[in-house]
Amino acid sequence: EAGVTQFPSHSVIEKGQTVTLRCDPISGHDNLYWYRRVMGKEIKFLLHFVKESKQDESGMPNNRFLAERTGGTYSTLKVQPAELEDSGVYFCASSPGRYSPLHFGNGTRLTVT
Amino acid sequence: GNSVTQMEGPVTLSEEAFLTINCTYTATGYPSLFWYVQYPGEGLQLLLKATKADDKGSNKGFEATYRKETTSFHLEKGSVQVSDSAVYFCALSDLKGGSEKLVFGKGTKLTVNP
Repeated sequence: EAGVTQFPSHSVIEKGQTVTLRCDPISGHDNLYWYRRVMGKEIKFLLHFVKESKQDESGMPNNRFLAERTGGTYSTLKVQPAELEDSGVYFCASSPGRYSPLHFGNGTRLTVT
Repeated sequence: GNSVTQMEGPVTLSEEAFLTINCTYTATGYPSLFWYVQYPGEGLQLLLKATKADDKGSNKGFEATYRKETTSFHLEKGSVQVSDSAVYFCALSDLKGGSEKLVFGKGTKLTVNP
């Protein structure tokens, strides 16, 4: 089975620009999560989708971040406008059920200059 | 709120050495505890987990025991290999907000030399 796929793997943008990250979960996985690791810090939860609905978005840092999961398949995370502190690695994970183990993608490394 | 503290790295060992990576947690209730591993160029993988006090998780020669009295979940391996070089993350499950989300430590980078 194909794993969780994220792209791009790397993105370098200037402050003020917009970037969209994409995550393709494992087929059939209703649960999709976004996490972020800022350099040297913990991996932090951003939000959780169940199918196309946002179950929990308590970790979203501010309204410059917008996540969508149209049709309950792939998800996008848009940052607009990007700030320097948004740099980090963004991980996506999926699971078939609420308490099932998470399958993580390789992450997207975002650098804002 | 819930939090995880794990030992700062990096940790450098020779092959066949004994490994311990300390992890302590602060949580309300009785969370599940996890160790995830990230090999170079790859995503996070679940290494092992424990769901209640005194449970021992084990996988690939690694072990960790859920110690409620010391709020710890230390990772151990008796004899490390070069292929164990990776970043290790301790985590707990947090059910606040209606979603089971993971709370991670900062990660410990392990390098094993031949």
